[in-house]
Amino acid sequence: SQQGEEDPQALSIQEGENATMNCSYKTSINNLQWYRQNSGRGLVHLILIRSNEREKHSGRLRVTLDTSKKSSSLLITASRAADTASYFCATEGNQFYFGTGTSLTVIP
Amino acid sequence: EPEVTQTPSHQVTQMGQEVILRCVPISNHLYFYWYRQILGQKVEFLVSFYNNEISEKSEIFDDQFSVERPDGSNFTLKIRSTKLEDSAMYFCASRGDSRSYEQYFGPGTRLTVT
Repeated sequence: SQQGEEDPQALSIQEGENATMNCSYKTSINNLQWYRQNSGRGLVHLILIRSNEREKHSGRLRVTLDTSKKSSSLLITASRAADTASYFCATEGNQFYFGTGTSLTVIP
Repeated sequence: EPEVTQTPSHQVTQMGQEVILRCVPISNHLYFYWYRQILGQKVEFLVSFYNNEISEKSEIFDDQFSVERPDGSNFTLKIRSTKLEDSAMYFCASRGDSRSYEQYFGPGTRLTVT
């Protein structure tokens, strides 16, 4: 299976702190994407990193990719209460696989 | 900003009944997808659709499932004979073209099978 697995499963931090979520996957990929899901809602694309990239930034988001370790991390800096959501990594090969997700709670 | 829409937002049906979930992808997009998410679990890929045919499908997408793009705007998922375990959120997504990897998700349809 190519499924991504995130850790931690749940993360609770204070507003202003940084949040780091990790994702591991099993087979070769074309790209890896991070999505956010608010409770009971659809997923929103956050950032994509291609297999030949190692790091990417977008606003308060920083994504790294280590294809040798088949892992990625998502860092959210200076977190806000509105960042509270579930975060999923998704890998694309023939199909599109979502990981199990990290539930992030940012306490005001 | 263009968005993917899905109807209905909530569908309740009895076991054994047929349901059709509807999606209107973003108008100039070429790739279409259905996913499901059982409550509290991960999002699971069901099927991808391109050029009026299925391009990939998962093990979940068995003979009870079918997809159709009956006109230039709608993209439907049909479940022929629903089972209790089909209860889930079903998300439709669309993607622009082969150079654009970002998928745009609809808000989902909550299917409850009783």
